[in-house]
Amino acid sequence: EAQVTQNPRYLITVTGKKLTVTCSQNMNHEYMSWYRQDPGLGLRQIYYSMNVEVTDKGDVPEGYKVSRKEKRNFPLILESPSPNQTSLYFCAVAGRAYNEQFFGPGTRLTVL
Amino acid sequence: DQQVKQNSPSLSVQEGRISILNCDYTNSMFDYFLWYKKYPAEGPTFLISISSIKDKNEDGRFTVFLNKSAKHLSLHIVPSQPGDSAVYFCAARRFDAGNNRKLIWGLGTSLAVNP
Repeated sequence: EAQVTQNPRYLITVTGKKLTVTCSQNMNHEYMSWYRQDPGLGLRQIYYSMNVEVTDKGDVPEGYKVSRKEKRNFPLILESPSPNQTSLYFCAVAGRAYNEQFFGPGTRLTVL
Repeated sequence: DQQVKQNSPSLSVQEGRISILNCDYTNSMFDYFLWYKKYPAEGPTFLISISSIKDKNEDGRFTVFLNKSAKHLSLHIVPSQPGDSAVYFCAARRFDAGNNRKLIWGLGTSLAVNP
């Protein structure tokens, strides 16, 4: 079964405390992306990766880092979280044709 | 600059009737269009898609229509069921400056199907 897993699903943290949200896929797909969803703003892409060691900024990359050291994993790193990064985060995976994305279940992050 | 627009934030329909969700776009370089459905506390799931060279694609109760001259696509759900109540996102695919594929998303339309 095709799966995209994210951990943790829920996280409450404080300003400045580094955190990592993990994303893993079992589909052997090239493309992986991180999105955030905020009320009235829809889905906005944070970073994406076209393959191992290839990453690029999306539309809202400020305050985030990513890495793609292996094909199946694409962690999202917040070095110094701030309250404006409180959001619902989704990891997404797509094949080479990029005609469909598979989304993870989401991570609800609250930064106090 | 919202290249993909879903102008109706919400829509309410009676069970058994047709639901029509609309999406307008501004970029003629989009080559593929997708609809996703999202339930609360879950990630979006792919519903149906259409290539820019077609004007209609059908999958069971779901049909997507594309009018390229008007830069407009619509999703028809017939008959609507209470389980269809969700947020529906329209997305369009294009190549970015680095020749990489990219999806541009609408803001979503919340559909409520009333029993």
